[in-house]
Amino acid sequence: LAKTTQPISMDSYEGQEVNITCSHNNIATNDYITWYQQFPSQGPRFIIQGYKTKVTNEVASLFIPADRKSSTLSLPRVSLSDTAVYYCLVGDTNAGKSTFGDGTTLTVKP
Amino acid sequence: ETGVTQSPTHLIKTRGQQVTLRCSSQSGHNTVSWYQQALGQGPQFIFQYYREEENGRGNFPPRFSGLQFPNYSSELNVNALELDDSALYLCASSDSGRADEQYFGPGTRLTVT
Repeated sequence: LAKTTQPISMDSYEGQEVNITCSHNNIATNDYITWYQQFPSQGPRFIIQGYKTKVTNEVASLFIPADRKSSTLSLPRVSLSDTAVYYCLVGDTNAGKSTFGDGTTLTVKP
Repeated sequence: ETGVTQSPTHLIKTRGQQVTLRCSSQSGHNTVSWYQQALGQGPQFIFQYYREEENGRGNFPPRFSGLQFPNYSSELNVNALELDDSALYLCASSDSGRADEQYFGPGTRLTVT
């Protein structure tokens, strides 16, 4: 299983863009990269998924370089409600072939 | 569209007892995965069920077992509870065609005393 490494915590201010990077040096050819958001006492919520280059949806962008050994989740203009733990997953959740790390705790300040 | 639901919300058990947790998957999803999340840590994969068959297992002992029913709902059973089993247990459902996009329930908080 591919191991992921993320910063333990990050601070930001409302209105700023936040970039959270995840390292996954031993990513396999068939692995996808998926990001989840988790609020206290709730289950994780799917944010975005990608395989290579750039993916954008209504809440975030995901940048994946050509070697795919890292990925960056970009949150535009964060608000206080974006304060949460963000997890990067690498692998194929089919048959449990992906692992949550300990995530990045993002704190957005006024 | 109904989301993933879990019951009960909270549970307190004594060491050595057995517990059954339940999960109803999101409408149209045929795959259910169970995770254990200790305080301050990420979710740890326990096992996954696809069309009523176990389809992968994490590093958990056999006293953790599960079932999936024809309507794709699922149960997690834990025998001989230990203090370290205290955690948030999360159920996630997905469509086999989009296995990486999982939808999580709110979890069951299990406390073992």
